[in-house]
Amino acid sequence: DSGVTQTPKHLITATGQRVTLRCSPRSGDLSVYWYQQSLDQGLQFLIQYYNGEERAKGNILERFSAQQFPDLHSELNLSSLELGDSALYFCASSVGQLAVYGYTFGSGTRLTVV
Amino acid sequence: KNQVEQSPQSLIILEGKNCTLQCNYTVSPFSNLRWYKQDTGRGPVSLTIMTFSENTKSNGRYTATLDADTKQSSLHITASQLSDSASYICVVSANFGNEKLTFGTGTRLTIIP
Repeated sequence: DSGVTQTPKHLITATGQRVTLRCSPRSGDLSVYWYQQSLDQGLQFLIQYYNGEERAKGNILERFSAQQFPDLHSELNLSSLELGDSALYFCASSVGQLAVYGYTFGSGTRLTVV
Repeated sequence: KNQVEQSPQSLIILEGKNCTLQCNYTVSPFSNLRWYKQDTGRGPVSLTIMTFSENTKSNGRYTATLDADTKQSSLHITASQLSDSASYICVVSANFGNEKLTFGTGTRLTIIP
């Protein structure tokens, strides 16, 4: 167990729907990062939050949004889902704003859009 | 453009053999380089992190090397085990105020008995 908890582990939904993925960072970690990994693709950085505030943005679609709550858990909202959104979504956490000392990944949420 | 290229894309070796995975990068300004192991359907797990001044770092049977001059890194696995079957991802960090990580697409390693 890495200490980073992601729920749900699996999610199957229809096109056009909206889903919310949840991430609880490791105890003491203030930064949360979201990544998307499509089949046989590398990890694509979506967005980072640090202590409740957006810190960095990657290739996140406008249909996607995220937030980090006062208790430091984070949610990634995906709306108007398309077949191409099917992927593994990973959350990672680190102590500070920079991940120079490494960060820890959760086990991911597998999203299937049908 | 910051890029991380890994080779080979896939590799199959016999259990007990050694192998070396390569990572070439064009990330600048360089901050650190990490190797992750990702089992199928699981989150990546950190193997090593190396900064500019480090040439070699080991973690059990895994040894990573870094040549910052040629912008190359390698991950050497000795006495491979079936549990080493996974994707190995090279990640390079650039730090220019805001840190930016660039991920390689990974090498898929399969160990056969």
